[in-house]
Amino acid sequence: VQVVESGGGLIQPGGSLRLSCAASDFTVGSNYMNWVRQAPGKGLEWVSVIYSVGTTYYADSVRGRFTVARDDSKNTVHLQMNSLRGEDTAVYYCARDTMGGRGYGLDVWGQGTTVTVSS
Amino acid sequence: SFELTQPPSVSVSPGQTASISCSGDKLGNRYVCWYQQMPGQAPVLVIYQDNKRPSGIPERFSGSNFGNTATLTISGTQAMDEADYYCQAWDSNTNTYVFGTGTKVTVL
Repeated sequence: VQVVESGGGLIQPGGSLRLSCAASDFTVGSNYMNWVRQAPGKGLEWVSVIYSVGTTYYADSVRGRFTVARDDSKNTVHLQMNSLRGEDTAVYYCARDTMGGRGYGLDVWGQGTTVTVSS
Repeated sequence: SFELTQPPSVSVSPGQTASISCSGDKLGNRYVCWYQQMPGQAPVLVIYQDNKRPSGIPERFSGSNFGNTATLTISGTQAMDEADYYCQAWDSNTNTYVFGTGTKVTVL
């Protein structure tokens, strides 16, 4: 059971980037898939979640700029990031929650993909 | 908005007990999870639903949650336990996950 993130890189302020999270040995559509980020030297910040039924929620800091979506045919979750800012610079992790808000926690994490927003 | 506060650092001698607090309004009414993060690595879930250990997590890790404070306890702390630890709860009002501010545990 694992997830692998990809799509990070260096992007100019105001630009867009799409991150991907590919899952193995479990079905993303049956779980609550989250994005969590960590700015350099800082703590963990939850970013977004997509429920098994497709409902999505976002942190205030990214709402209106980021969109999470799921491709069940590829067992992959995407995070579309628009209007990027310097404060979005971070390692972005994809993480699984099997039960969504019922205290089971994020039990599977990827290795992260780095996003750097700079001119 | 719902916030979780942790002490920035905790120091412990090898073999002793480390306790890490996580404070939030009426936190005892919510489930709390704890994560361990080694430098340069992804977080690992060590406690879920306040006091349950995932498979593979040593018994020396335990948790409690009462009133406004949740606590992660590491009994018989080992050098390998030196890491950052984060608490996390779910805010049912906004359907969002909240992480604590993080605590660096140093084994002296």
